[in-house]
Amino acid sequence: EVQLVQSGAEVRKPGESLKISCQVSGYIFTDYFIAWVRQKPGKGPDWMGLIFPGDSDTKYSPSFQGQVTISVDRSSNTTYLRWDSLRSSDTAIYYCARHLGGSGWRLFDHWGQGTLVTVSS
Amino acid sequence: QSVLTQPPSVSGAPGQRVTISCTGSGSNIGAGYDVAWYQQLPGIAPKLLLYGNNNRPSGVPDRFSASKSGTSASLAITGLLAEDEANYYCQSYDISLSEVFGGGTKLTVL
Repeated sequence: EVQLVQSGAEVRKPGESLKISCQVSGYIFTDYFIAWVRQKPGKGPDWMGLIFPGDSDTKYSPSFQGQVTISVDRSSNTTYLRWDSLRSSDTAIYYCARHLGGSGWRLFDHWGQGTLVTVSS
Repeated sequence: QSVLTQPPSVSGAPGQRVTISCTGSGSNIGAGYDVAWYQQLPGIAPKLLLYGNNNRPSGVPDRFSASKSGTSASLAITGLLAEDEANYYCQSYDISLSEVFGGGTKLTVL
């Protein structure tokens, strides 16, 4: 069974750093892209970026380029999302999701349970 | 403002049929990229509902179907059940922006 298990809720102050995680199981970690998706209350999801664990190749949405860093630890089947300096506008639920794609199609077939990040002074 | 536009809400009585539209542009749906649909229950992660040419992951009933034409796509739900009350999102690929989602449609079962 494919599973993506994310780290727990976090509370930080503006300007602080944070790294959240997503550990996968049930399939070969290095064979599929993992994406990170932000969702603010009452809004649609926003794709942030994705990483291919096989070679750590990473692609970011223009909206999130330079704002976050996606990384991977192949020894623990874990993907990370890191902020160096949080803003209050980063308050949201963050999901990791397995990403599949081919010629003319893309989708997210399995999702983590989400990590609530609250940034408040 | 989401790249893919969905109506904020739709409603229907149990047993009825409802449709949810998803309007894109020539750089995403109109460029020939497939649309995927997700169902999100309150407090739960989105769940893949439909993708491509009406493909359903295991466990998704055939009451759910999808279509695409030009720069738009639609999700149809027949035989509406109370358990279908949720938020629904469309998603596609954009030539400039990569992965894009709709703003979501809240389905209320009356």
